[in-house]
Amino acid sequence: AQSVTQPDARVTVSEGASLQLRCKYSYSGTPYLFWYVQYPRQGLQLLLKYYSGDPVVQGVNGFEAEFIKSNSSFHLRKASVHWSDSAVYFCAVSSNSGGSNYKLTFGKGTLLTVTP
Amino acid sequence: DTTVKQNPRYKLARVGKPVNLICSQTMNHDTMYWYQKKPNQAPKLLLFYYDKILNREADTFEKFQSSRPNNSFCSLYIGSAGLEYSAMYLCASSRGDSYEQYFGPGTRLTVL
Repeated sequence: AQSVTQPDARVTVSEGASLQLRCKYSYSGTPYLFWYVQYPRQGLQLLLKYYSGDPVVQGVNGFEAEFIKSNSSFHLRKASVHWSDSAVYFCAVSSNSGGSNYKLTFGKGTLLTVTP
Repeated sequence: DTTVKQNPRYKLARVGKPVNLICSQTMNHDTMYWYQKKPNQAPKLLLFYYDKILNREADTFEKFQSSRPNNSFCSLYIGSAGLEYSAMYLCASSRGDSYEQYFGPGTRLTVL
């Protein structure tokens, strides 16, 4: 069965600093990987996704992630964070649940706090 | 419009009483999902509808029911709420051939 581990429950960084949120997955097949963000009182929004090809994928608002197959990792990065990036970030892996249906397995999330 | 809507946003229920949560989408997506999210836990898939076919996860099979009267709407039904049902319930939808899911804002259910 697939699983996703986000080892850091909370991360605090200063505005303007760089950011890395860690994600490791376990999946026997070809992984389809996602990062979602949840701002307060809102639903989960897709930041970026990886299906195949270039292992570094770009997302919205300057976020990027790198798929490293040998390490089973899909870490999220941003060069310079803004206070508005404060949110909960979820890493997820998609698996085929039969036919053309896909189910997401999430990590527990990382609460990012950006301080002035 | 990639909006998934959920009603109500907050729900208070008594132990032993039924609960019905509603989700809607206007993207003509053929698959709709329900997840449960508890504090400090990962969102957990409860069930999904592909068109008119309901698929429930094995470990929550008997706890949740759902209906999908048309393509746009999907409900999550709890027949007799227990304290352990207190959680955020997230609805999502997708095209059947797509890995991407679009999420609603969630319904926070508190059972007292």
